[in-house]
Amino acid sequence: SAVISQKPSRDICQRGTSLTIQCQVDSQVTMMFWYRQQPGQSLTLIATANQGSEATYESGFVIDKFPISRPNLTFSTLTVSNMSPEDSSIYLCSVSGTSAYNEQFFGPGTRLTVL
Amino acid sequence: TQLLEQSPQFLSIQEGENLTVYCNSSSVFSSLQWYRQEPGEGPVLLVTVVTGGEVKKLKRLTFQFGDARKDSSLHITAAQPGDTGLYLCAAPSYNTDKLIFGTGTRLQVFP
Repeated sequence: SAVISQKPSRDICQRGTSLTIQCQVDSQVTMMFWYRQQPGQSLTLIATANQGSEATYESGFVIDKFPISRPNLTFSTLTVSNMSPEDSSIYLCSVSGTSAYNEQFFGPGTRLTVL
Repeated sequence: TQLLEQSPQFLSIQEGENLTVYCNSSSVFSSLQWYRQEPGEGPVLLVTVVTGGEVKKLKRLTFQFGDARKDSSLHITAAQPGDTGLYLCAAPSYNTDKLIFGTGTRLQVFP
């Protein structure tokens, strides 16, 4: 399984500012995913990031609010733009494994609080 | 729309008790996964079940995939405080690389 790190692990930000979250994988992967999670609740997929192409966003999420970069096969960033308190959440990146069952491996998450 | 409903939503038990978590859908899935997430960490894959009726055991955890591949259960025998966490079932979304995650079950095991 892949080892995934995220930076920062947590942050407290002011309303109206932006935060970029980094996701680093220890091996080359094709698919990377970004999720949002309210504490104690399930995961909501924000977008799928493939290297060399535009990210694919889920319903309710737009590129202007959550721009994603995927410059190579081991790295991705998610920016949360023009933040409001409603953006306070845990943000997780994940990658697909090599099996045929779409199993995913997750980073430790970034806990964001917007004041 | 493919949905995975988990029950119960919350479970608070004493160490040594047994429990079962359910994951139900009206859709048929090719496979199903169970993850556990501890506070401050990302979800960790526990098991993947593939065949209808399949049973897999992981120490005190027993996972079963329904015969029709629409539902699954996770049974924990003699729960321990280390079992505390958020349990999520997940299944591949039809014809995509994405996963559909269940609604989640929060388990708290008290010493």
